[in-house]
Amino acid sequence: DVKVTQSSRYLVKRTGEKVFLECVQDMDHENMFWYRQDPGLGLRLIYFSYDVKMKEKGDIPEGYSVSREKKERFSLILESASTNQTSMYLCATSHNYGYTFGSGTRLTVV
Amino acid sequence: SQELEQSPQSLIVQEGKNLTINCTSSKTLYGLYWYKQKYGEGLIFLMMLQKGGEEKSHEKITAKLDEKKQQSSLHITASQPSHAGIYLCGANFGNEKLTFGTGTRLTIIP
Repeated sequence: DVKVTQSSRYLVKRTGEKVFLECVQDMDHENMFWYRQDPGLGLRLIYFSYDVKMKEKGDIPEGYSVSREKKERFSLILESASTNQTSMYLCATSHNYGYTFGSGTRLTVV
Repeated sequence: SQELEQSPQSLIVQEGKNLTINCTSSKTLYGLYWYKQKYGEGLIFLMMLQKGGEEKSHEKITAKLDEKKQQSSLHITASQPSHAGIYLCGANFGNEKLTFGTGTRLTIIP
């Protein structure tokens, strides 16, 4: 089974802090994704990556950046966290038989 | 506007009753994925549909994709408390990205 691991389940950060959300997959998949989930809005794609050092903007990239230095790791970066970035963040990887998601990181920015 | 419309937004069903959740797209789907999410957790893959008219079942859950590949339904037979959660449909429109509906919150009452 594919395993997607997000390093933190819960995070509380202060406004203006730089925040790193880490995601690791164990199956050498090329495609990785970062989504955020908000009530009434569903899951929205922030960024995705189809190979090492390759990235593409999703539907809501503003305020975020990403890093993919190694194939197994895809990091989401909030350069200066703001309260409207309080959300559930989900990482995923895609493969021939679907998409596998991590357990999510619930980020609260105060 | 939402590319994927999911209905209903919430559903309260008595234990033992059947229920259906719908997912509709204005564009042809290349792949349709159903996920279940427990509150505050990641997404659990249920089923993937790719062919027009395809139908898949797992235990008491059946998913169908219409012939035009623009509408899918998820049907649960004889619902149980373990079926409670948020159900999400996700669609692939011919690229690597997965677009989601807003989700259906299912509550099972005794």
